[in-house]
Amino acid sequence: SQKIEQNSEALNIQEGKTATLTCNYTNYSPAYLQWYRQDPGRGPVFLLLIRENEKEKRKERLKVTFDTTLKQSLFHITASQPADSATYLCALDNYGQNFVFGPGTRLSVLP
Amino acid sequence: NAGVTQTPKFRILKIGQSMTLQCAQDMNHNYMYWYRQDPGMGLKLIYYSVGAGITDKGEVPNGYNVSRSTTEDFPLRLELAAPSQTSVYFCASRPGTGTGQPQHFGDGTRLSIL
Repeated sequence: SQKIEQNSEALNIQEGKTATLTCNYTNYSPAYLQWYRQDPGRGPVFLLLIRENEKEKRKERLKVTFDTTLKQSLFHITASQPADSATYLCALDNYGQNFVFGPGTRLSVLP
Repeated sequence: NAGVTQTPKFRILKIGQSMTLQCAQDMNHNYMYWYRQDPGMGLKLIYYSVGAGITDKGEVPNGYNVSRSTTEDFPLRLELAAPSQTSVYFCASRPGTGTGQPQHFGDGTRLSIL
């Protein structure tokens, strides 16, 4: 069955450092991989999309990589700020009717 | 710009009661979804719809029902509520499945079954 894992349930880093979150999957061939941010008490909000034929995508301080051979995506936040503290979810999409979401990683950026 | 609106935000039910969670979107999206989110478990798909009059089961449909009579609305019905249905429920929508279009989420309904 399809399985998605995100490297850890929680990640603590110091302000100004780069946060790196990992998304690994098995038994799936996604056409796209998306990253979402979820704040406490709110619904997930879309951040970035990367296609299967793209290696890297950037948006401001965010960078996503996608390795379909390793079946892995890395999500980086550079120059992290306390305001970046949230739960980050990866989601896989293969043109199907629905997505498959990972369990999320709760990031805490410490001042 | 409302996006996806869910009501109510919070609800407590007794075992065996029924209720309907409301979801409405004003973006004219064809696809709509219902998820439940339990701590540490991620989002599990309950039901989805690809357009008015069309619905299909997701990963965890038991104990729930949906209808889609209009493009805008996608209510989720709980019949005979059970403690296992205590969760946070999210509704989402997207225009279609092409070019990796993201999902737009509401802010959820927090439901407790006691």
